Amino acid sequence: GQNIDQPTEMTATEGAIVQINCTYQTSGFNGLFWYQQHAGEAPTFLSYNVLDGLEEKGRFSSFLSRSKGYSYLLLKELQMKDSASYLCAVRGSGGSYIPTFGRGTSLIVHP
Amino acid sequence: DAGITQSPRHKVTETGTPVTLRCHQTENHRYMYWYRQDPGHGLRLIHYSYGVKDTDKGEVSDGYSVSRSKTEDFLLTLESATSSQTSVYFCAMGTGDSNQPQHFGDGTRLSIL
Repeated sequence: GQNIDQPTEMTATEGAIVQINCTYQTSGFNGLFWYQQHAGEAPTFLSYNVLDGLEEKGRFSSFLSRSKGYSYLLLKELQMKDSASYLCAVRGSGGSYIPTFGRGTSLIVHP
Repeated sequence: DAGITQSPRHKVTETGTPVTLRCHQTENHRYMYWYRQDPGHGLRLIHYSYGVKDTDKGEVSDGYSVSRSKTEDFLLTLESATSSQTSVYFCAMGTGDSNQPQHFGDGTRLSIL
């Protein structure tokens, strides 16, 4: 089975930096995804990590440590529009490559 | 997401009635998925398909069936709806490649009274 943990809710100030953590225990590992989901909308893809290290994409970066079963999503220069849920999803072993999702972290950005 | 649509977007029905949700994609992706999303549970996989007429169960498949008669269409059926199936349902598509993300439809909000 797979177990994925994320904080339920976080708050931050506009212009600041926030780090959203994700820890996982899986049978095998074939990659970790981060998605953003605004209220009432579909999840949209943010980033993918399969090797250890940091992947940077503009204001968003994602880090992976496979030995620790740990990832984080770093959001810089926060904007009000970044208020959303952030979903961590892990692909374990097996031919179907279907990821398991964490429960998501609701980020509230205030002025 | 562009290329994948769900219908209806909203539905209210009564306990015991059959309900069918439709997912349609125009990307010719091999894999399609149905999830439900509930507060405190995140996205949970109901069923998925890896080709025409090829489907398999997810972690919360009880009370649901699916069909995929064409690459572009994936139907989710609740044979006899119960109040516990009130949820937001998302369809997703993907290539199935390990490094490729899933792309989600806009969701169907289903209320069973």
